[in-house]
Amino acid sequence: AQTVTQSQPEMSVQEAETVTLSCTYDTSENNYYLFWYKQPPSRQMILVIRQEAYKQQNATENRFSVNFQKAAKSFSLKISDSQLGDTAMYFCAFMKQSGAQKLVFGQGTRLTINP
Amino acid sequence: NAGVTQTPKFQVLKTGQSMTLQCAQDMNHEYMSWYRQDPGMGLRLIHYSVGAGITDQGEVPNGYNVSRSTTEDFPLRLLSAAPSQTSVYFCASSYSKSPLQETQYFGPGTRLLVL
Repeated sequence: AQTVTQSQPEMSVQEAETVTLSCTYDTSENNYYLFWYKQPPSRQMILVIRQEAYKQQNATENRFSVNFQKAAKSFSLKISDSQLGDTAMYFCAFMKQSGAQKLVFGQGTRLTINP
Repeated sequence: NAGVTQTPKFQVLKTGQSMTLQCAQDMNHEYMSWYRQDPGMGLRLIHYSVGAGITDQGEVPNGYNVSRSTTEDFPLRLLSAAPSQTSVYFCASSYSKSPLQETQYFGPGTRLLVL
C-alpha cells in the first residue's frame, strides 16, 4: 500500500517570502502521479500542480514549483512570492498510473501567509 | 458546466438514522469517487466507480453503500449512521482516458454531524 507523509503540520511566512512544503511517499510502483492540492477555508479542493513520475523535469505553474526526487521518494512544493491568498491547507497526494483514480493523501500542512 | 455538485452542504443526524449524500457531475466523467476528511487527516477514499454500473471499495468502505445507475450521479448511502461517521465528505470525478485521467475535480463537500 502507498503512504504519503507531510511532516510539517503548520508553517507561517511573511507575504512575498518563499516557502517550501515537504512531502515524502512510499510506493513500490514505478509509474505514478503526484499532486499538490490547496484547501482554503471554503473547503474546496483545488489542484495546484501535478507531476508525472516518468518525467525528470520538475513541474512549474506560475509561482508554484516542485522538487521531485524519485529515488528519494520526495516531492516538495515551493511557493515563490507568497500572497495572502495562498493561506490554506496544502495536501500532497499520490495516484498509481494504472487502474481507477484512487488518490492517497498526506495529513496536510496548514500554511499561513502573514501581511 | 456546473462541475461537481453535492447536496446537502450540511446535515445533522442522530445515531441509527439513514441518509443519502448526493453527488452529480455534468462533465461526462467516467470516474467518480467519495472521500471523507477527518480533522488532522487528509482525505481517505470510501468508494469509487469507473463507470455506470461499476463500483468498488476504497480504503474506508465500512458503513457506506454506493451505486452508479447513471454516468452523472454517484450517491453515497449511510444505512445506520454512527458518531464515527461525523466528517466532511467530498465527491470527485475525472475522465478515464489519459492524459486527463489524473486530474480529479472535487465537489464543495458535505459536512455531516452524527449525534
